[in-house]
Formats: sequence, C-alpha cells, structure tokens
Amino acid sequence: AQTVTQSQPEMSVQEAETVTLSCTYDTSENNYYLFWYKQPPSRQMILVIRQEAYKQQNATENRFSVNFQKAAKSFSLKISDSQLGDTAMYFCAFIYSGAGSYQLTFGKGTKLSVIP
Amino acid sequence: DGGITQSPKYLFRKEGQNVTLSCEQNLNHDAMYWYRQDPGQGLRLIYYSQIVNDFQKGDIAEGYSVSREKKESFPLTVTSAQKNPTAFYLCAVPGGDGYTFGSGTRLTVV
Repeated sequence: AQTVTQSQPEMSVQEAETVTLSCTYDTSENNYYLFWYKQPPSRQMILVIRQEAYKQQNATENRFSVNFQKAAKSFSLKISDSQLGDTAMYFCAFIYSGAGSYQLTFGKGTKLSVIP
Repeated sequence: DGGITQSPKYLFRKEGQNVTLSCEQNLNHDAMYWYRQDPGQGLRLIYYSQIVNDFQKGDIAEGYSVSREKKESFPLTVTSAQKNPTAFYLCAVPGGDGYTFGSGTRLTVV
C-alpha cells in the first residue's frame, strides 16, 4: 500500500519570503506520479505542480518548484516570493496506475499562512 | 466548459435519514471517485467507479452507497448507518494532470 506523510501540520511565512513544505511517501512501485494540491478557504482543490517519477528533472511552475528525491522518497514543495493568496492547505498526493486504477493517496495536509 | 458539478453546496441531515450527494461530469471520463475530507485527516477514498455499472469500495466505504448508471453521473448516498457523516465531500475525475475536482458538498448532521 502507498502512504504519504506530511510532517508539518502548520507553517507560516512572511510575505515575499520563501518556504518549503515537506512530503515523504512510501511505495514499492517504480513508475508513479506525485502532486501538490492547494486548497484555499473556498475549498476548491487546485493542482499546483506534478512530477513524473521517471523524470529526474525537478518540476517548476512559476514561483513553485519541487525537490524530488526518488531514492529517499521525498517530494518537497518550495514556494518563492510568497504571496497572501498562497495562504491555503497544501496536500501532497501520490498516484499509481497499477491494475488500471488511478487512485490518489493524499497526505494529511499542511496549513500555510502567509503573513503580511 | 468541461468540469465537474457537485450539488448541493451545503446539506443538512437529520439523525436516521439517508441523503444523496450529486456529482455530474462532462469530461467524458470513465472513472469517477468520491473522497471525504475531515480536519487533520486529508482526503480519504470512499468509493470509486472505473466504468458504468461497476464500482469498488475505497478505504472508508462503510455507511455509504453509490450507483453508476450513466457515465456522467456518480451519486453518493450517505446512509443512516454512517455514524459520523459530518464532513466535506469531494467528487473527482482522473486526468493527465492528476484529478479534476468538483467544488464539494458540506454535509452537516443536525
């Protein structure tokens, strides 16, 4: 079974600063996908960034980037130049398409507060 | 626009009642998923369906039931057997970028 662990229930960062959210996962599979989702107070789930396990290059999306360490099963999210709109719950998630099921497994989330 | 529509946005249930949450999609995807979200618990899988007229239990299926009579629709019934139904419920469809989520239904027991 796959598990995803987010060890930081809450974090805060000053506006314009950089913050890193941690995520580790456990799987015996070799081909999988990892995601970071953002859930603002509206509760809409928004995809922030995704990483394919077969790619060595870390994914980046504007101010968001990941540090993917496959051997260590680590997938951290770095947010640069933090903005007030980044305040949200952030969920790390794992997907493996074995047996035709695309089930997402989520961590418990990190609540990020950006302080003006 | 392609997407997922969940209704209602807020739902109140009396003790002993069954209630049904609606999820409709126009993404033409075979698979649909139901997740439950509780504070500090992340999202947990209730049921999923990979094709019409077929569905499987997820990690926390007890007290819930589903049907999948049409590709576009995957309603979730919260039965009276679910002892703690107050939660936020999300419907989702898998895609190339992970999942597309509906906007959710907040269910409260009164």
